[in-house]
Amino acid sequence: AQSVTQLDSQVPVFEEAPVELRCNYSSSVSVYLFWYVQYPNQGLQLLLKYLSGSTLVESINGFEAEFNKSQTSFHLRKPSVHISDTAEYFCAVSQDNFNKFYFGSGTKLNVKP
Amino acid sequence: DAGVTQSPTHLIKTRGQQVTLRCSPKSGHDTVSWYQQALGQGPQFIFQYYEEEERQRGNFPDRFSGHQFPNYSSELNVNALLLGDSALYLCASSLVWGGANVLTFGAGSRLTVL
Repeated sequence: AQSVTQLDSQVPVFEEAPVELRCNYSSSVSVYLFWYVQYPNQGLQLLLKYLSGSTLVESINGFEAEFNKSQTSFHLRKPSVHISDTAEYFCAVSQDNFNKFYFGSGTKLNVKP
Repeated sequence: DAGVTQSPTHLIKTRGQQVTLRCSPKSGHDTVSWYQQALGQGPQFIFQYYEEEERQRGNFPDRFSGHQFPNYSSELNVNALLLGDSALYLCASSLVWGGANVLTFGAGSRLTVL
């Protein structure tokens, strides 16, 4: 079975500062990688995904993540965060085309004014 | 276009009781997956239904069962509830041949077992 490690359970950061949320996975085969965001009392929303091709993927709200196969990582970054980015972020891995996802334990991003 | 809807949103049960949670997938989706998200944890895969059959199952006991109906909606049943079953139960839908491997999640049903 896959395992996904999110090294930081909480990340406090000031508004307009850069942030990196780390994600590592265990796999020796090809995987699909995702970041989901969860706002309080809501379900998970897809932020961005890596399926194939360019290793750098971007979301519409300024987040980006880079797939690093040699380090089995898929870290999420944003150069300048906003208060509205405060949420919990989950990294997820899927190993096949059948949508069975393995999630990390989540990182709570707290953006302070 | 309605997304994934789940009901009820909150419920409280006592140990030993049984519970049924319901999910309507996003329009056009044919596959439903259920996840359990315990407090402070990431979602864990329970099982997935496609064409009214359980296609994959995670590491959950047989107390957890499900069903998918011809209209693609789904139910999750949990028997003999334990305190440890308290969690947010998330339903996610997808299109099996969509190729994008993207799950659309509902807001969840929060189960509290006393």
